Amino acid sequence: GAGVSQSPRYKVTKRGQDVALRCDPISGHVSLYWYRQALGQGPEFLTYFNYEAQQDKSGLPNDRFSAERPEGSISTLTIQRTEQRDSAMYRCASSLGVAGGVTDTQYFGPGTRLTVL
Amino acid sequence: AQSVAQPEDQVNVAEGNPLTVKCTYSVSGNPYLFWYVQYPNRGLQFLLKYITGDNLVKGSYGFEAEFNKSQTSFHLKKPSALVSDSALYFCAVRDKNTGFQKLVFGTGTRLLVSP
Repeated sequence: GAGVSQSPRYKVTKRGQDVALRCDPISGHVSLYWYRQALGQGPEFLTYFNYEAQQDKSGLPNDRFSAERPEGSISTLTIQRTEQRDSAMYRCASSLGVAGGVTDTQYFGPGTRLTVL
Repeated sequence: AQSVAQPEDQVNVAEGNPLTVKCTYSVSGNPYLFWYVQYPNRGLQFLLKYITGDNLVKGSYGFEAEFNKSQTSFHLKKPSALVSDSALYFCAVRDKNTGFQKLVFGTGTRLLVSP
């Protein structure tokens, strides 16, 4: 079946602009995660949703970053007033959630490469 | 804090030879460990996981990993490497401090398989 999809795949923006990154999880997956991956590093957790509820946003670096998942499916990560240090690969993942229990596996999308000029 | 370490930035192996990519973990309580692979211009792909049970876990594409509690290690292995295995490999642990919801990743190991 279809995997996690993300759009756009590449985004180039100027400093100070707002950007919105979209994630479409695997059908039936109730949990959704956002990670950020700098070049040469492993992904770092940003935020997590269970259905439409944002359960953990401890990884969001500052209040310019926000995320929503209003209908418990598609999610949007928004970065306001972008800065050059926001340049990174932004990855979305989804999982079965509670039904998966401790064996729950996160499946990742292809990512959005954000470049802030 | 839960963490994993990948001590090698790069591993070089000739095609047909066995390969090992190392990962050690530091967790309180039971570890839930994962391996992912990242091919160029593609997303992270799940390879295998250790939750409980047998110490040898078999995964996708012929990979396996050995959980060793005494050495706090979870090394990724394959008996015979292929050139197509060349990629970036990440070890990860589920973070019990956040209800096991987030993954904490290592810094990655680049595997280069030469023909």
